[in-house]
Amino acid sequence: AQSVAQPEDQVNVAEGNPLTVKCTYSVSGNPYLFWYVQYPNRGLQFLLKYITGDNLVKGSYGFEAEFNKSQTSFHLKKPSALVSDSALYFCAVRDGYAGNNRKLIWGLGTSLAVNP
Amino acid sequence: GAGVSQSPSNKVTEKGKDVELRCDPISGHTALYWYRQRLGQGLEFLIYFQGNSAPDKSGLPSDRFSAERTGESVSTLTIQRTQQEDSAVYLCASSLEVVPGLANTGELFFGEGSRLTVL
Repeated sequence: AQSVAQPEDQVNVAEGNPLTVKCTYSVSGNPYLFWYVQYPNRGLQFLLKYITGDNLVKGSYGFEAEFNKSQTSFHLKKPSALVSDSALYFCAVRDGYAGNNRKLIWGLGTSLAVNP
Repeated sequence: GAGVSQSPSNKVTEKGKDVELRCDPISGHTALYWYRQRLGQGLEFLIYFQGNSAPDKSGLPSDRFSAERTGESVSTLTIQRTQQEDSAVYLCASSLEVVPGLANTGELFFGEGSRLTVL
């Protein structure tokens, strides 16, 4: 069965420091992986995705994520955090070879707080 | 339209009444999802439409919930005999099928949501 885990409910980081939001997954085939961000009182916005190709994916707002097949991880990273990055982050996965079942499976979210 | 549009943005209703929420996906998007999000919580999957395939209704919490989609256009989510525990933001999202290397494929585009309050 497909699953996604975001092991940290909350991550706190000082402004200017690097940040990491963790995500691990389980799918039977090759994964399609996504990160989304939800700012307070807003809808979700797409950040980046891994479908195939380079393991390091760059996305919006200076975020990047590295697909690690051996560790089944897709951690979100940013070299230097901004206070405005404070938000709720969701990781999602689907099986790339699931035929008609293309439903995304979502993590429970990680709340990122960047302190000035 | 340019993005996913949901209406109403806010709905306050009395317990026991029926409500209908509407989602206008991005034109041409074959997949459409409904999610429920309670305050400060994650996404709760409700239903998924993919082209002409039978919808995946596995997330609907009870038979009071139903959803329809006509072709690849508008979808409506109906909640009958609303209960206080139905209070939440209902999010709709649409997407194109993944095309490796092509932007804007595979990722979900979300509407701003419909906030439902059941008194």
